[in-house]
Amino acid sequence: TQLLEQSPQFLSIQEGENLTVYCNSSSVFSSLQWYRQEPGEGPVLLVTVVTGGEVKKLKRLTFQFGDARKDSSLHITAAQPGDTGLYLCAGGQAGTALIFGKGTTLSVSS
Amino acid sequence: GAVVSQHPSRVICKSGTSVKIECRSLDFQATTMFWYRQFPKQSLMLMATSNEGSKATYEQGVEKDKFLINHASLTLSTLTVTSAHPEDSSFYICSALKGYGNTIYFGEGSWLTVV
Repeated sequence: TQLLEQSPQFLSIQEGENLTVYCNSSSVFSSLQWYRQEPGEGPVLLVTVVTGGEVKKLKRLTFQFGDARKDSSLHITAAQPGDTGLYLCAGGQAGTALIFGKGTTLSVSS
Repeated sequence: GAVVSQHPSRVICKSGTSVKIECRSLDFQATTMFWYRQFPKQSLMLMATSNEGSKATYEQGVEKDKFLINHASLTLSTLTVTSAHPEDSSFYICSALKGYGNTIYFGEGSWLTVV
């Protein structure tokens, strides 16, 4: 069974701080995705990484896929209250369901 | 991008009754759809994989007789929660696989409250 360990589970920071969320597995994934979810809504895809060592940037968010495609990180620079939400990593193989990490609940206060 | 529609978005049912949730891929054919359940402040847990024209594959611990899945067409999968109990109250969300690659699209989710 593929498992994704996501950490930290909860993060409460002040506006302007930086943070990193980690997603680790003993399994190799063909792709890894990061989602953000607001309460009561479905997850919204932020990014998909497919190549080992790949780095993608989305404004203040930087995503990295490990060289062995077993781990990934999400780094947020200068967090803002609007970044508050549940961040989920999910790994997948072609044609199969995404397996989700347990999520990181981020709270950014002004 | 591709659209997956889920209906109803919210439903309240009485304990002991059954409720059906629909998941439709609106602009593509999905031979495979997935059903997840999410309890408050928790992550998405895969319940089952729904394959068009064949029986669903359920994850360990998910009762197939309680959570009936029917994938009768290439654009529609349904999840029926039978004999619902208050502990079945949760957020149910589907996703559809476009093609045979890694592209998965999620529905908006359905809130089920059993009273």
